[in-house]
Amino acid sequence: EAGVAQSPRYKIIEKRQSVAFWCNPISGHATLYWYQQILGQGPKLLIQFQNNGVVDDSQLPKDRFSAERLKGVDSTLKIQPAKLEDSAVYLCASSLSTTNEKLFFGSGTQLSVL
Amino acid sequence: SQQGEEDPQALSIQEGENATMNCSYKTSINNLQWYRQNSGRGLVHLILIRSNEREKHSGRLRVTLDTSKKSSSLLITASRAADTASYFCAPGNDYKLSFGAGTTVTVRA
Repeated sequence: EAGVAQSPRYKIIEKRQSVAFWCNPISGHATLYWYQQILGQGPKLLIQFQNNGVVDDSQLPKDRFSAERLKGVDSTLKIQPAKLEDSAVYLCASSLSTTNEKLFFGSGTQLSVL
Repeated sequence: SQQGEEDPQALSIQEGENATMNCSYKTSINNLQWYRQNSGRGLVHLILIRSNEREKHSGRLRVTLDTSKKSSSLLITASRAADTASYFCAPGNDYKLSFGAGTTVTVRA
């Protein structure tokens, strides 16, 4: 079974620039999550999709972050404009379950904002 | 908050020893999950224990859940160097799954 694919693996940008991350979940997984993990902390949920509908985006900074899930499969997360405090690892996860059980994570995109 | 809080923050043990870490949470849950994260990688699901279960085993892992105390523990027996990682608990329900800051486990050869 192929895992959750994320790209790019690393990204370095300057503040005020924009950046986009891509995620391809495991085939057939209804639920897709984007987490932000700052160094030394646990993952923080940014947005959760069920198929192509948003379930929870309460912690997404909507003035600069946006996300979409295309046709209920792939997803992109965008930051525009980036701030220094956005430096983190952005993790995508997917789950067959619609009740937040057994998430499969990608390896993440490490973002450095200079 | 539904977020779990792991204790201790860090743990260093000798290969072959057991490692125990604890998780406390504040809200009602349907289940509690434990995940492992190796350096530079994503999280890997280890085990899920439901709110009506008290103990669960998977290989060298043993998880307990005490819903009256809102706490869980993860025991890794006969630790190996490959167990060096961060471990996160995630109290969950139908609506949300939140992660704590994790316990960093270092297994010394």
